[in-house]
Amino acid sequence: SQQGEEDPQALSIQEGENATMNCSYKTSINNLQWYRQNSGRGLVHLILIRSNEREKHSGRLRVTLDTSKKSSSLLITASRAADTASYFCAESGGSNYKLTFGKGTLLTVNP
Amino acid sequence: EAGVAQSPRYKIIEKRQSVAFWCNPISGHATLYWYQQILGQGPKLLIQFQNNGVVDDSQLPKDRFSAERLKGVDSTLKIQPAKLEDSAVYLCASNLLAGGIEQFFGPGTRLTVL
Repeated sequence: SQQGEEDPQALSIQEGENATMNCSYKTSINNLQWYRQNSGRGLVHLILIRSNEREKHSGRLRVTLDTSKKSSSLLITASRAADTASYFCAESGGSNYKLTFGKGTLLTVNP
Repeated sequence: EAGVAQSPRYKIIEKRQSVAFWCNPISGHATLYWYQQILGQGPKLLIQFQNNGVVDDSQLPKDRFSAERLKGVDSTLKIQPAKLEDSAVYLCASNLLAGGIEQFFGPGTRLTVL
């Protein structure tokens, strides 16, 4: 299957700044999910946005979804060094809600 | 609540050898997934089980990969024989149902094929 694309591939910011990552996906979705992966805690679910939603918030995270453009964005506000990780979007589609992950954005937050 | 358990954490083998990975999902989770994550890429679904039945194995290279989930709990993924391109992290995940909710991932098994 084809993976979606995250943009940028890598992002380096200072602590306290905001980080925005974008995701384009391929298929009609049931929902779109964002995951974080680092060596300490593995792959962890962050937030899910359903196909009929346009924006969702969870703590310092804000996700938007534009189904007409098949795109989503993840905003992390007031970043911390502990946010350093790879971030993946995953489109959930089909009758079995299969997840197809993008290639990820590597975020580095410098103290 | 205990998370998804996987073993071994690391494995190094020669090409053409066989290898098996084990996964114990979160208690009560009916759906279990195996993913392959090659360095620099996102995870790719290999197989999805609902209880002990296969829901999706369309991306499983069936000539060399096999998986089973006996009694709808633990699962094993086997590669026989391994190729160099099988070097990757193999992730197991589970959730209560497949219907549009988050998946919980184990720590993964890092396989190196020499």
